[in-house]
Amino acid sequence: QQQVKQSPQSLIVQKGGISIINCAYENTAFDYFPWYQQFPGKGPALLIAIRPDVSEKKEGRFTISFNKSAKQFSLHIMDSQPGDSATYFCAASESNQFYFGTGTSLTVIP
Amino acid sequence: EAGVAQSPRYKIIEKRQSVAFWCNPISGHATLYWYQQILGQGPKLLIQFQNNGVVDDSQLPKDRFSAERLKGVDSTLKIQPAKLEDSAVYLCASSLRRIFAGELFFGEGSRLTVL
Repeated sequence: QQQVKQSPQSLIVQKGGISIINCAYENTAFDYFPWYQQFPGKGPALLIAIRPDVSEKKEGRFTISFNKSAKQFSLHIMDSQPGDSATYFCAASESNQFYFGTGTSLTVIP
Repeated sequence: EAGVAQSPRYKIIEKRQSVAFWCNPISGHATLYWYQQILGQGPKLLIQFQNNGVVDDSQLPKDRFSAERLKGVDSTLKIQPAKLEDSAVYLCASSLRRIFAGELFFGEGSRLTVL
């Protein structure tokens, strides 16, 4: 049973464009929603995270939008750059136990 | 600050052989996780330790997988005997917080190929 559903599986964006990745969950007990970025051959690294008491969090070019009633959250990458090409995982946590989405492979074309 | 260390980085074995992976978490991190990441998929939790006690091992195939965390620091994950479907990257992660979720710090992983 997939606790967190992520889409799309892959995404190709032109340099300077906006990349949007979506995730949905069912468990209302989740209280922490991080996004991880993973480059080939490396472990995932925290990109940005949000708690359910806010609807949006922005850090530089990266923004999380959170819709508690719809049980959905999304990652927006503004002004996408070739260096952003990586796999992105959403996750949800309850009591320090993390459940990951299936990942989105992002390719930013120069 | 040193990150999460894992070894070996790569291992190739025949099916039915055994393998062990080692993890050294960030100093002071009480919570340690082992995840299995199959190619093209998200990390799947195998086992979670809080200090040297097991918090969750519900998805650990206990007939072939075992893990221990000695003295609440280093951890070893063992597979015996290995199956073809065990081919994956085994990621170790650690976290400082216990009650409220905090950042997971991942190692670079140990890539296992079972032939």
